[in-house]
Amino acid sequence: DAGVTQSPTHLIKTRGQQVTLRCSPKSGHDTVSWYQQALGQGPQFIFQYYEEEERQRGNFPDRFSGHQFPNYSSELNVNALLLGDSALYLCASSLGGNTEAFFGQGTRLTVV
Amino acid sequence: QQPVQSPQAVILREGEDAVINCSSSKALYSVHWYRQKHGEAPVFLMILLKGGEQKGHDKISASFNEKKQQSSLYLTASQLSYSGTYFCGTETFGTDKLIFGTGTRLQVFP
Repeated sequence: DAGVTQSPTHLIKTRGQQVTLRCSPKSGHDTVSWYQQALGQGPQFIFQYYEEEERQRGNFPDRFSGHQFPNYSSELNVNALLLGDSALYLCASSLGGNTEAFFGQGTRLTVV
Repeated sequence: QQPVQSPQAVILREGEDAVINCSSSKALYSVHWYRQKHGEAPVFLMILLKGGEQKGHDKISASFNEKKQQSSLYLTASQLSYSGTYFCGTETFGTDKLIFGTGTRLQVFP
């Protein structure tokens, strides 16, 4: 079992650009949540996908959007990148809600 | 809405005990505990679903007081491998989103 895999591991983008991050959940998991973790801070909830629909959303602007595919994999898209978007983006998968979530290693995004 | 953890940091010698607290202003459905080592992803420790529930494995246990919206993580006879930042994640009724706390950095020295 490969666990949760994220790609790419590192990314450098310029302000104003757009970025797509990818996540493959742990085998058997149907729910994917995305988090943004700034240095020295706890993960901040962005949104959660279940059955290809956004089920929950945190306090992030519409520049942050996502998608879940029929195979439960997911993408996080961020438009019009700002310097403040630089962070570690974590994907977590679970089987439904209220169960243990497994995290991927994250994508380190740097906006310059 | 973000749960508050205390203390912010703990320094221990091997074999010593520690308690990390997590407090929320909202009524909680569940509390999750994770440990994150530097440069790594958070790793699941345990989930508590019922008021007054206690869980544990090895020398790490936790309690959940649903009435007080509080949870505590107990680390006994700490080992070097316990070092890292501990986060509680809370879920409120009617939502499935996990909101993480402010974190507690634990360092264990020989």
